[in-house]
Amino acid sequence: SSELTQDPAVSVALGQTVRITCQGDSLRSYYASWYQQKPGQAPVLVIYGKNNRPSGIPDRFSGSSSGNTASLTITGAQAEDEADYYCNSRDSSGNLVVFGGGTKLTVL
Amino acid sequence: EVQLVESGGGLVQPGRSLRLSCTASGFTFGDYAMSWVRQAPGKGLEWVGFIRSKAYGGTTEYAASVKGRFTISRDDSKSIAYLQMNSLKTEDTAVYYCTRVSGSYKQYYFDYWGQGTLVTVSS
Repeated sequence: SSELTQDPAVSVALGQTVRITCQGDSLRSYYASWYQQKPGQAPVLVIYGKNNRPSGIPDRFSGSSSGNTASLTITGAQAEDEADYYCNSRDSSGNLVVFGGGTKLTVL
Repeated sequence: EVQLVESGGGLVQPGRSLRLSCTASGFTFGDYAMSWVRQAPGKGLEWVGFIRSKAYGGTTEYAASVKGRFTISRDDSKSIAYLQMNSLKTEDTAVYYCTRVSGSYKQYYFDYWGQGTLVTVSS
């Protein structure tokens, strides 16, 4: 079982805004990071820290956090955003690392 | 350009051992912690373990599912990280990714990933 909980699936209409959430006690102490994974490909970091995007990640991706919940928001979702999204953070002890179970995003 | 290339995957029988390698380029390898993440077929990502840089003692941490069976090591002179896997079980079947660790204690993330190498444990 994972210490970070994500909804298994979320859908969004093309061009609309979608929020993917990640819940866990460790998020009260540590930032989450977010990864996008398309079929047959390695994951790609899309958000880290408070709300930072690596070079090359579109600015429609943003992150936020409140209490024990971290969120990844895609503003104006595109067809190419259809993918699995994973959050991760340190665990509650601070010594180990955990991933959420992943959210499959469908762009309608 | 940062590159991570895994090698060493393949088919192995239960109870046997296998060693994966991750060859890095494009950055000062010794300055970074390195981690392994795996993904069983059709499943989500699972953190396996990491090794700190020598500046932080070069120590290791492991997920409970592999602790005592897997060992991560590094050769900074060759820019290679290793994952030694012993007493393999069928449930260890997965694509194994090598990742670079960045950030700080409060923000800890994997900013570069290799393409992955498939390990299949089966008789």
